[in-house]
Amino acid sequence: DTEVTQTPKHLVMGMTNKKSLKCEQHMGHRAMYWYKQKAKKPPELMFVYSYEKLSINESVPSRFSPECPNSSLLNLHLHALQPEDSALYLCATKGSGDTDTQYFGPGTRLTVL
Amino acid sequence: GQNIDQPTEMTATEGAIVQINCTYQTSGFNGLFWYQQHAGEAPTFLSYNVLDGLEEKGRFSSFLSRSKGYSYLLLKELQMKDSASYLCAVWDSNYQLIWGAGTKLIIKP
Repeated sequence: DTEVTQTPKHLVMGMTNKKSLKCEQHMGHRAMYWYKQKAKKPPELMFVYSYEKLSINESVPSRFSPECPNSSLLNLHLHALQPEDSALYLCATKGSGDTDTQYFGPGTRLTVL
Repeated sequence: GQNIDQPTEMTATEGAIVQINCTYQTSGFNGLFWYQQHAGEAPTFLSYNVLDGLEEKGRFSSFLSRSKGYSYLLLKELQMKDSASYLCAVWDSNYQLIWGAGTKLIIKP
């Protein structure tokens, strides 16, 4: 099973709303990532969790708050976002050793009004 | 600095063969990926090369030369559905993916 799932598929929110993006994997991978991707650009790393601990935070504004409740789940909590935060948000996982491949979920298309 | 170069756009004909090149300069190397991405969708994994040589998977093949910092993705028997962006990415020494800007491949009938 090489599946990473993300919900919701689409999200529209106002600048005062609080919402969460969810990611789930059952591959036993211990590294999970959040990326942000704008149109016609490559994905941009936001956060990395390794063994459920935050290992990398790429200077992301505090209006984005990641959470890793267990080894299968990764959340991204959103609060007071700006219109320029509208993008495709991608969750990804990484195996270890011979399975260093990074697998992406289908993404959440976020629109901030 | 870290840098990955690939052509911005390529055009090819249905049924033909196309080769998309990627050159990289990164701090460390733990493997090179090729992803396919259709507009508005997530990247889809195509290949992962960590050792020199050619890996073949159906119509797609990927080649790596670590000494030259060079890879290519070869697509055979092109189909209209192959029209997409193709992203080259390298795991650096910290297992962070360094991305190329992507190559937009246009397939014409």
